[in-house]
Amino acid sequence: DVLMTQTPVSLPVSLGGQVSISCRSSQSLVHSDGNTYLHWYLQKPGQSPQLLIYRVSNRFSGVPDRFSGSGSGTDFTLKISRVEPEDLGVYYCLQSTHFPLTFGSGTKLEIK
Amino acid sequence: EVQLQQSGPEVGRPGSSVKISCKASGYTFTDYVMNWVKQSPGQGLEWIGWIDPEYGSTDYAEKFKKKATLTADTSSNTAYIQLSSLTSEDTATYFCARCRRGDFDYWGQGVMVTVSS
Repeated sequence: DVLMTQTPVSLPVSLGGQVSISCRSSQSLVHSDGNTYLHWYLQKPGQSPQLLIYRVSNRFSGVPDRFSGSGSGTDFTLKISRVEPEDLGVYYCLQSTHFPLTFGSGTKLEIK
Repeated sequence: EVQLQQSGPEVGRPGSSVKISCKASGYTFTDYVMNWVKQSPGQGLEWIGWIDPEYGSTDYAEKFKKKATLTADTSSNTAYIQLSSLTSEDTATYFCARCRRGDFDYWGQGVMVTVSS
């Protein structure tokens, strides 16, 4: 199985600040079709996960441009700028290039 | 508006089975694969498997092959997951999630399954 290593585990932030979350995979996430199936989710307390970024760098409908994704191969980053209270929760990466699909272990964004 | 409405919380005795549902609306049910994801209390997310409602074909993570059975009823636009031989390890919240092009774009609200005697 592809191991997805997310860091940090916990990320204290000041409102209005900027943060980055890293997700590294144990093997390349480039699919044979040329796409890279690495996605980012936010799970707010008591809610279902919600899609933020799909295929590395594409913002899902309604997601503010404060969120951006980048990376390639095995190394990916989610950046959040001008952090707002609604951004707090646990962030997960998901790879769907390889079977079985695997999630990162999560990064909890909390107020400093 | 795409919606995935899951059934209510379940309590199952050890060794028994439970079946939870996920009713889809707002899109053509057979056009998208449905995934299921497990979240144990205070833990992260685990992919269980997926079903293609059009063909009924399924695939499971190895860990869940003997635990979960995925089905779909195209007449009611509803996907199901049955969990068998329940143990305390199955106590968790179970989500259904629509798969678009490898990403899960819409999720159900989750169903809490509690295994207790």
